[in-house]
Amino acid sequence: QQQVKQSPQSLIVQKGGISIINCAYENTAFDYFPWYQQFPGKGPALLIAIRPDVSEKKEGRFTISFNKSAKQFSLHIMDSQPGDSATYFCAASMQNAGNMLTFGGGTRLMVKP
Amino acid sequence: DAGITQSPRHKVTETGTPVTLRCHQTENHRYMYWYRQDPGHGLRLIHYSYGVKDTDKGEVSDGYSVSRSKTEDFLLTLESATSSQTSVYFCAILTTGFGNTIYFGEGSWLTVV
Repeated sequence: QQQVKQSPQSLIVQKGGISIINCAYENTAFDYFPWYQQFPGKGPALLIAIRPDVSEKKEGRFTISFNKSAKQFSLHIMDSQPGDSATYFCAASMQNAGNMLTFGGGTRLMVKP
Repeated sequence: DAGITQSPRHKVTETGTPVTLRCHQTENHRYMYWYRQDPGHGLRLIHYSYGVKDTDKGEVSDGYSVSRSKTEDFLLTLESATSSQTSVYFCAILTTGFGNTIYFGEGSWLTVV
């Protein structure tokens, strides 16, 4: 049973456009929702994270929108750049239960120049 | 890089042979994790440790064992490697402080032929 579902699997965006990746979760006990960015041959790197007591968090060009009632959260990349081309993973965890991350399946983003 | 070193980084082994992957950290973090990454599945938790000699199973633990005899080292062993265990293995650590954040190592690419 996949507890975190991520879409789309792949995404192509023009330079300067907005990239949007969506995730949905099932376990209402999750209380921490990070996004990871992974470049080929590298380990995932934390990009941005949100807790369910806020509906939005912005860091530079990256924004997480969180909808607790719908059990959904999304990553928006504004002014997408070719350097943003990578695989993005959403994840969820319970902070007081070992912090184990449950990951979505990943989205391969390509930003065309 | 959160002081995580994985070894070996690349290995090709034959079916039925034992394989041990090593994760070494330099910052005395209590929690350590082993994940595997496969296309379409994101990252899935194999085992985790919450202290020396304290370990527990994750989502995909069958065929794997772990040991942690020292804070800095977390070993993942495939007792008898199978082709289905061909994957990229990531070690991760949990940092605490301003928030619980999980950092990943650079990965170990394992091919079982």
